Amino acid sequence: GESVGLHLPTLSVQEGDNSIINCAYSNSASDYFIWYKQESGKGPQFIIDIRSNMDKRQGQRVTVLLNKTVKHLSLQIAATQPGDSAVYFCAEKVGTDKLIFGTGTRLQVFP
Amino acid sequence: DSGVTQTPKHLITATGQRVTLRCSPRSGDLSVYWYQQSLDQGLQFLIQYYNGEERAKGNILERFSAQQFPDLHSELNLSSLELGDSALYFCASSAEGTGELFFGEGSRLTVL
Repeated sequence: GESVGLHLPTLSVQEGDNSIINCAYSNSASDYFIWYKQESGKGPQFIIDIRSNMDKRQGQRVTVLLNKTVKHLSLQIAATQPGDSAVYFCAEKVGTDKLIFGTGTRLQVFP
Repeated sequence: DSGVTQTPKHLITATGQRVTLRCSPRSGDLSVYWYQQSLDQGLQFLIQYYNGEERAKGNILERFSAQQFPDLHSELNLSSLELGDSALYFCASSAEGTGELFFGEGSRLTVL
């Protein structure tokens, strides 16, 4: 696969540790947020979503936290695995359907 | 496999030329979105179509245009290409009433 090659913030974690990826969003009127994972050479894939009437949502090994006061979103990955290595994007829904993506964070997992 | 198909996967062309990127959404999805991903811009929203009609517009240049056909496939036309247009172009689709977008594998455009 080919690398997107973005100049992104990078988070390096050891396999088995927990990862926390942060995102600041811009629009206080946004009511829906999604985290996407993009592996090298592939399109973004849905991980987990959260609506603005919630503070926390859990999936399998992933948790999303939403702090509307400071317009902050975080993605927690438990027991990070090599297959979690990717670029992670948060996205906020603006208006009816438009999704606006953040700049992304590259997660590197080392043994 | 997201169910969204994009062609071509790779395209190399020269400045000043015109290209067309094609997208077939997931079966049943009425909304199609186009995003541009370049080295220093992340994922930039270009335009959205819903059931053949333009619904939302982002930072799409006047040299770019898109349309969605009756069979719901979409095309993104890029003209008078410049070096800075080199990027990955993603198409995504979504079902009505949901916020989740399903992305294709992208079309990598290189302008020389």
